Amino acid sequence: DAKTTQPPSMDCAEGRAANLPCNHSTISGNEYVYWYRQIHSQGPQYIIHGLKNNETNEMASLIITEDRKSSTLILPHATLRDTAVYYCIVRTEGGSEKLVFGKGTKLTVNP
Amino acid sequence: DAGITQSPRHKVTETGTPVTLRCHQTENHRYMYWYRQDPGHGLRLIHYSYGVKDTDKGEVSDGYSVSRSKTEDFLLTLESATSSQTSVYFCAISAVQSNEKLFFGSGTQLSVL
Repeated sequence: DAKTTQPPSMDCAEGRAANLPCNHSTISGNEYVYWYRQIHSQGPQYIIHGLKNNETNEMASLIITEDRKSSTLILPHATLRDTAVYYCIVRTEGGSEKLVFGKGTKLTVNP
Repeated sequence: DAGITQSPRHKVTETGTPVTLRCHQTENHRYMYWYRQDPGHGLRLIHYSYGVKDTDKGEVSDGYSVSRSKTEDFLLTLESATSSQTSVYFCAISAVQSNEKLFFGSGTQLSVL
């Protein structure tokens, strides 16, 4: 079973920031938080990952709480093309070969 | 985009027939994975490989076998397809074991009638 909890769906207005939450209260000290997304009919796409510090790249920002029990993925200026299912994943013991995807959050960006 | 090609992209077959799906990569990545995706279940790991001829089972491996005879190819075989194996199958690759991102292929839609 996935070690994360995400809301099943969220809506966001185009041009506004999309903030996607994820709870991972049982995360271990050496486990990373990954975010992927899947646009309809395509393979999942890596977005960002982090351990304890906040991370930013060209796609998004990842904010991890100090206790590491939750995180938020931020898309600063959502576009219609950001409509997708977003997966928050905690890497399980044994390495990335056992990366477990949950059901994710369906983000709908509205015009 | 990572060089991952899945073939075929679509396949319709009958119950009881063997089916082989192919994943081909041009990235020379060590790790390869097969996932299936079904409504209400998200992505589930079937099998993975951590090197040539080195494979292991994932969470839903029953009814599936895999082979990796060379770095670039990872084959998924359904020895006797069943209707419950109707799904979208995704191949993924990664370069290293720890905290490395996965690159996914475009998927294979398999329908077993």
